[in-house]
Amino acid sequence: AQTVTQSQPEMSVQEAETVTLSCTYDTSESNYYLFWYKQPPSRQMILVIRQEAYKQQNATENRFSVNFQKAAKSFSLKISDSQLGDTAMYFCAFMKRGTSYGKLTFGQGTILTVHP
Amino acid sequence: KAGVTQTPRYLIKTRGQQVTLSCSPISGHRSVSWYQQTPGQGLQFLFEYFSETQRNKGNFPGRFSGRQFSNSRSEMNVSTLELGDSALYLCASSILGSGETQYFGPGTRLLVL
Repeated sequence: AQTVTQSQPEMSVQEAETVTLSCTYDTSESNYYLFWYKQPPSRQMILVIRQEAYKQQNATENRFSVNFQKAAKSFSLKISDSQLGDTAMYFCAFMKRGTSYGKLTFGQGTILTVHP
Repeated sequence: KAGVTQTPRYLIKTRGQQVTLSCSPISGHRSVSWYQQTPGQGLQFLFEYFSETQRNKGNFPGRFSGRQFSNSRSEMNVSTLELGDSALYLCASSILGSGETQYFGPGTRLLVL
């Protein structure tokens, strides 16, 4: 079974600064997908970024980028130029490629607060 | 394109009752997954449906069941409600359920008294 660990229950950052959220996972699979989702106070889960394990290049989406270290089973999220709207709970998630249809395994989440 | 919709948004039930939640996926998405979110257990996968068939199931008792219709809309049912079933129930849709992005609905908040 796969497990996802987010070791930072809470983080805070000043507006316009950079923050990195950590995520590690445990799996014996070699083909899988990794995701970061955010859940603001409205509780709507929103995809932040997606990474395919077979791709060595780290995914980026505007101010969001990941540091994917497959050997270390680490998948951290960097948020640059933090904005007040980035305040949310952030979840790291794992999906096995193949027969694990529709199943995301989530970490416990990191609450990120951006201060003005 | 319209997003994933869930009804009802809020529900209050008493122990022993049953409840049915509904999820309409994004047009063209054939895979629907359901998750339970609680403060104690976090986000846990319930099951996934594709083309009216359950392809994957999480570790929940048989009181939790679901189904999918030919238009990909999905329902989940919880029978004999327990206090511990109080949670936010999220559904998510994707095109095939095989690693593409899942798009989540706003959730149904269930309170069991």
